[in-house]
Amino acid sequence: ETGVTQTPRHLVMGMTNKKSLKCEQHLGHNAMYWYKQSAKKPLELMFVYSLEERVENNSVPSRFSPECPNSSHLFLHLHTLQPEDSALYLCASSQGTGTGEPGELFFGEGSRLTVL
Amino acid sequence: SQKIEQNSEALNIQEGKTATLTCNYTNYSPAYLQWYRQDPGRGPVFLLLIRENEKEKRKERLKVTFDTTLKQSLFHITASQPADSATYLCALEHGGYQKVTFGTGTKLQVIP
Repeated sequence: ETGVTQTPRHLVMGMTNKKSLKCEQHLGHNAMYWYKQSAKKPLELMFVYSLEERVENNSVPSRFSPECPNSSHLFLHLHTLQPEDSALYLCASSQGTGTGEPGELFFGEGSRLTVL
Repeated sequence: SQKIEQNSEALNIQEGKTATLTCNYTNYSPAYLQWYRQDPGRGPVFLLLIRENEKEKRKERLKVTFDTTLKQSLFHITASQPADSATYLCALEHGGYQKVTFGTGTKLQVIP
């Protein structure tokens, strides 16, 4: 497999459920990201991991919990979400050097989340 | 407050014409700016990156300009084709540590 792979592509969950989104990159990149995309709104940066360390957390509610066990994998754990959290969640990776120049982002196809 | 604005939500042009999309930003000092294409239900795909010390960059039918004084980037698609119909996003790197923020996007429709 090549590129950035996200699973599942679609997820429906109740507000009391716990689920996880998974992202895997096969590009040898050292930075990974979670973005949220809602209708009529720009992509919102949620989390950035560089060399497996979280370097950015954009005031995201604690019901979203990221995990980066290694440079190829990124998870977003979901717990007691709200209906307004329904959105397309996009994972991306980049060849970041840790000096602030990420270069281009490579995105996965996204996980479409619906919270009932 | 910081803003990234793209000129219009939607733009319709005739096939063969040049499409020009605008990205304006305020209260950012980006080292570079990127443009992406996004098709419905898909993740964005990188198109071009232009650095703050570059005025213009080209790639096939695409051209990007970057004016740090005006705080504006223009994205041109020459000889547009229906297959160019998509949403185009501009994005700024800022604040170091790979922080990339996106504009709202412009949905381009090329009419045959």
